[in-house]
Amino acid sequence: EVQLVESGGGLVKPGESARLSCEASGFTFNRASMNWVRQTPGGGLECVAFISSDERYIFYADSVKGRFTISRDSAKNSLFLQMDSLRGEDTAVYFCAREGIGFGGFMDYWGRGTLVTVSS
Amino acid sequence: DIQMTQSPYSVSASVGDTVTITCRASQSITKWLAWYQQKPGKGPKLLIYKASDLQSGVPSRFSGIGSGTEFTLTISSLQPDDFATYYCQQYHNYPYTFGQGTKLEI
Repeated sequence: EVQLVESGGGLVKPGESARLSCEASGFTFNRASMNWVRQTPGGGLECVAFISSDERYIFYADSVKGRFTISRDSAKNSLFLQMDSLRGEDTAVYFCAREGIGFGGFMDYWGRGTLVTVSS
Repeated sequence: DIQMTQSPYSVSASVGDTVTITCRASQSITKWLAWYQQKPGKGPKLLIYKASDLQSGVPSRFSGIGSGTEFTLTISSLQPDDFATYYCQQYHNYPYTFGQGTKLEI
């Protein structure tokens, strides 16, 4: 059974950093491209970062470029999101999502998410 | 970025009804469109990809059609488990973008 479990969320002050983790199981992690997607309190979904299975391709949303860094560790079956210089508008539930293996773009498995609240 | 516009914002229906949700893209995305269902406290669940391909395990009462800029999701014979929020997502290019969601209510 495919499982994605996010962790690392919490309350952080503006300008501070946080590191999210996503532990994957039930599939061959190093064959899958992965995404971080966030959902704001209003319900909108935004793709914030993508990393290909071989790490050759990394993309970011303009809203986080230069502040967030996506990475992965295949030995640990884990995906990470380093978030620096956090702002109030980064407050959201952050989901880890797997792209369909052998396909591109749609996300066939999602975690339950971890809430990041940026507030003083 | 490609803008995705869903309509309606919300829809009320009853068990047994048929509901249609529309998604429009700001430019052609050929058939690179997915539909998701989301329930409170959970991540989205993939229903349809490539505009009309049903994800494994998803009931056949869900169907999708469209290409270019206009797409629809149809849910036939609504079941109690179908009351949720539905999102479309384009994956023609990055950043992948979502519609604002359609809440399906009883």
